[in-house]
Amino acid sequence: NAGVTQTPKFRVLKTGQSMTLLCAQDMNHEYMYWYRQDPGMGLRLIHYSVGEGTTAKGEVPDGYNVSRLKKQNFLLGLESAAPSQTSVYFCASSGHTGEKLFFGSGTQLSVL
Amino acid sequence: DAKTTQPTSMDCAEGRAANLPCNHSTISGNEYVYWYRQIHSQGPQYIIHGLKNNETNEMASLIITEDRKSSTLILPHATLRDTAVYYCIATSQTSYDKVIFGPGTSLSVIP
Repeated sequence: NAGVTQTPKFRVLKTGQSMTLLCAQDMNHEYMYWYRQDPGMGLRLIHYSVGEGTTAKGEVPDGYNVSRLKKQNFLLGLESAAPSQTSVYFCASSGHTGEKLFFGSGTQLSVL
Repeated sequence: DAKTTQPTSMDCAEGRAANLPCNHSTISGNEYVYWYRQIHSQGPQYIIHGLKNNETNEMASLIITEDRKSSTLILPHATLRDTAVYYCIATSQTSYDKVIFGPGTSLSVIP
């Protein structure tokens, strides 16, 4: 049982480049989330999804897009990367609202 | 979601109980208290949660005051592997899709 898997684990981009982070969960969870974590700070919610085909904005959505075409996958896209998006990105999932979150191991992204 | 306040950092001697406080004075009746921890740069890990009764599992105990305005996470016999950042979150089961993590408490277990 892999739980929540994030790919890639590390990535370096140049300003203006685009990329997609993939989150996959094998627990048949309805809810999926993308967070970012900056040094010395807690996690900030970027976008979330309450089911296949649905997405919603979180606390810091600007500069990111997401898609949930399949229940098990939640993609986070950066269309034109900026240095301010240098961060560690975490994906999480939960079975239903109110249940505990399961987190992936994170993606460390550097934008030069 | 109710705002939570935690100390920035704490130390605990190895083998002793670690008591991590959390203030959530604006918590509403339908909001649960959740605790997670994050070891080094790994993804956060769920520890325990409760509504108003004290809770215990294989990892920790959660003590919630009668007025529910504060709680304490207890790690009964801290080990070096418990060194981590601990997050306290107060959230309802109808707004869990908006759960927000604050800076948490950095716990250092000292040999």
